[in-house]
Amino acid sequence: GENVEQHPSTLSVQEGDSAVIKCTYSDSASNYFPWYKQELGKRPQLIIDIRSNVGEKKDQRIAVTLNKTAKHFSLHITETQPEDSAVYFCAASIRSGTYKYIFGTGTRLKVLA
Amino acid sequence: DTAVSQTPKYLVTQMGNDKSIKCEQNLGHDTMYWYKQDSKKFLKIMFSYNNKELIINETVPNRFSPKSPDKAHLNLHINSLELGDSAVYFCASSQDQNYGYTFGSGTRLTVV
Repeated sequence: GENVEQHPSTLSVQEGDSAVIKCTYSDSASNYFPWYKQELGKRPQLIIDIRSNVGEKKDQRIAVTLNKTAKHFSLHITETQPEDSAVYFCAASIRSGTYKYIFGTGTRLKVLA
Repeated sequence: DTAVSQTPKYLVTQMGNDKSIKCEQNLGHDTMYWYKQDSKKFLKIMFSYNNKELIINETVPNRFSPKSPDKAHLNLHINSLELGDSAVYFCASSQDQNYGYTFGSGTRLTVV
């Protein structure tokens, strides 16, 4: 069945270092890959997304890369700051009559000051 | 001006009761969703509506019934609540299918 694997489940980095979260999807027809950040007790918020016709997208300190052949995509956060600490979710859209997302299981990122 | 607002924020109720959660979006989006987030933080889609029409109905017990009176509103009614229904329920909307979501602030449901 459709699934999205996300690794690692937890990640601790020192402030100023980079963080990378990886996701693998199973449906080769997936064409939209958003990333969400969820702070403790808050709603998930869209931070960046990429469509399958693009290999990389960057927005200030965050970037997403997509490898369609290998069916994986990654979130890169550079110069991490304590406020980057949160749970990050990847998702991949699949089409089964209509579009829906399959979410990854989340990565808890801790940025240590 | 909250883009996607849902009420109530917290709901504590006894097993067997019936409860409703309301959601409204002022973004002019065509598609709305209900997601369930369990204690392990997994986000699972329950329902999706596009222009008031149900388009996704995952394997959710039929005690859960969504209602969309217009494309700005999507409510969730739950009958005969069970302990396992305890979770955070998020409403979300998107411009159309296959676009990024704006989530509501969530409703923490606790069934005792």
